[in-house]
Amino acid sequence: EPEVTQTPSHQVTQMGQEVILRCVPISNHLYFYWYRQILGQKVEFLVSFYNNEISEKSEIFDDQFSVERPDGSNFTLKIRSTKLEDSAMYFCASSEQGLTEAFFGQGTRLTVV
Amino acid sequence: KNEVEQSPQNLTAQEGEFITINCSYSVGISALHWLQQHPGGGIVSLFMLSSGKKKHGRLIATINIQEKHSSLHITASHPRDSAVYICAVRGYSGGGADGLTFGKGTHLIIQP
Repeated sequence: EPEVTQTPSHQVTQMGQEVILRCVPISNHLYFYWYRQILGQKVEFLVSFYNNEISEKSEIFDDQFSVERPDGSNFTLKIRSTKLEDSAMYFCASSEQGLTEAFFGQGTRLTVV
Repeated sequence: KNEVEQSPQNLTAQEGEFITINCSYSVGISALHWLQQHPGGGIVSLFMLSSGKKKHGRLIATINIQEKHSSLHITASHPRDSAVYICAVRGYSGGGADGLTFGKGTHLIIQP
């Protein structure tokens, strides 16, 4: 069964460093999303991506965040200068069309020290 | 902005019991998702519904659009059903580009 895959599963980084979280969405899907979940809190929307550009972004998704689809398969989230409060589980999701079911990856646990 | 509330926050039940988890939201939606999150953190989509009722195995999800309310039922519950169950909604704008708004989740424990 097709699935969304995320790498790495766990990343530890020093405050101020840049990190890139990687996702491979399901191959025929057109909409891609990043969400984050701070420990003990609910999942929050960060950004959606369609047709090679950002469609929507939340107030969380500020200038230190960027997304890219560098090739036909990968979808990345870059955090330029990590802060302690960026420590969270980051989930990638994709859907075939905008209003169809979303499929989630297993998440990347980012720890900023 | 949609407010998504789930109840109960925590639920402990015995194996075999019928489980109901509730979700209410404040603003009209295009679809509602029920998701399952296991201790390792991964999220699995259980249902997406915009009206009526859906059934998959022992899981049943219903939605009442007028009442802005949805329920997730588990029949003949089993310890392997222990997980966090999350309700998430999608609004009308953006043709799906706007992301989901999530509830806080219901932590379910089924004891043998």
